[in-house]
Amino acid sequence: GAGVSQSPSNKVTEKGKDVELRCDPISGHTALYWYRQSLGQGLEFLIYFQGNSAPDKSGLPSDRFSAERTGGSVSTLTIQRTQQEDSAVYLCASRSSGSYEQYFGPGTRLTVT
Amino acid sequence: GQQVMQIPQYQHVQEGEDFTTYCNSSTTLSNIQWYKQRPGGHPVFLIQLVKSGEVKKQKRLTFQFGEAKKNSSLHITATQTTDVGTYFCADSMYQAGTALIFGKGTTLSVSS
Repeated sequence: GAGVSQSPSNKVTEKGKDVELRCDPISGHTALYWYRQSLGQGLEFLIYFQGNSAPDKSGLPSDRFSAERTGGSVSTLTIQRTQQEDSAVYLCASRSSGSYEQYFGPGTRLTVT
Repeated sequence: GQQVMQIPQYQHVQEGEDFTTYCNSSTTLSNIQWYKQRPGGHPVFLIQLVKSGEVKKQKRLTFQFGEAKKNSSLHITATQTTDVGTYFCADSMYQAGTALIFGKGTTLSVSS
């Protein structure tokens, strides 16, 4: 079946602009995660959605970052007033309720100039 | 906060040689997951270890979880060029459901 999809695959934006990154999880997966991967670094947890519960935002680096998940499916990560240090690959992952395995999407490479 | 340290950061081997990456934590790990990320790709789940002293094998890959649940290792026997990539260990964060704390990974290169 279809895996996790993300769009756009690449995004170049100017410093100070807002960007929206989209994630389509695997159908039926109740848990959705956003991670950030900077060049040569590991993955940094950003935010977690589980069903209809309030999201865990403990990993968001600043109030410029926000995310929502509509209808328990598609999620959008928004970065306002982008800064150069926001440049990274943003990865989305989903997980079914009966499993611990996370399935990652291909990521969105964000470059802030 | 929770931290997972991984060594080495880079490893180059000749095809056919063995390879091991180590994952260490100063605190007890709840469980450990291992992921592989090919160059230009996204992380792909390999395995989860839960029990103290657990050992699991997948073909040429052997995963171990330490008795004190503070370390783990991934050993690849007789590496192949298809093993190239970055191997990450990850601990779960109970306070964030099953979000993962990743180590910085070990990047393996293999020459034939």
